[in-house]
Amino acid sequence: GAGVSQSPSNKVTEKGKDVELRCDPISGHTALYWYRQSLGQGLEFLIYFQGNSAPDKSGLPSDRFSAERTGGSVSTLTIQRTQQEDSAVYLCASSLVSNTQYFGPGTRLTVL
Amino acid sequence: DQQVKQNSPSLSVQEGRISILNCDYTNSMFDYFLWYKKYPAEGPTFLISISSIKDKNEDGRFTVFLNKSAKHLSLHIVPSQPGDSAVYFCAARDTGANSKLTFGKGITLSVRP
Repeated sequence: GAGVSQSPSNKVTEKGKDVELRCDPISGHTALYWYRQSLGQGLEFLIYFQGNSAPDKSGLPSDRFSAERTGGSVSTLTIQRTQQEDSAVYLCASSLVSNTQYFGPGTRLTVL
Repeated sequence: DQQVKQNSPSLSVQEGRISILNCDYTNSMFDYFLWYKKYPAEGPTFLISISSIKDKNEDGRFTVFLNKSAKHLSLHIVPSQPGDSAVYFCAARDTGANSKLTFGKGITLSVRP
């Protein structure tokens, strides 16, 4: 079946602009995670959804970052007033609860 | 405060030989460990995992060993193949903490033909 998909694959934006990143999880997966990978770093947890609720937002780096999930499926990560330090690859993963997480290909965000 | 550490940034091995990738962790609440493989411009792909109640899990050419007392795990690939060349991430999970994964920084494996 289809895996996790993310769009866009690449996004270049100017400092101060808002961006939206989309994740389509594997059908039936109730858990959805957002991570980001900055240059030379491991993957850093951002937020976790169980269904449409987000019981763990502890990894969001600032209040410029927000995310939502609708219909227990698609999720959108929004970054407001982007800064250069937001440049990274943003990865989405989905899973059945407490099972293996499967990752999408990521969105490479570049803030100029 | 890195809770999952992959101290070697890179490893180069000859095709057909064994590759040993190491990982250390500090959080004793971690109860499940995973290895992911990542090619450039792709997302991480799940490779193999091990529960904290086991000390070994084998899947084909891949074996993961867990030493809980040392808080150390390792991934063995034998025999190594050129297609194994990728970045390998060690990840750990605290199932009581929403199962979010804590990742190491990764190790780049190069398998020479």
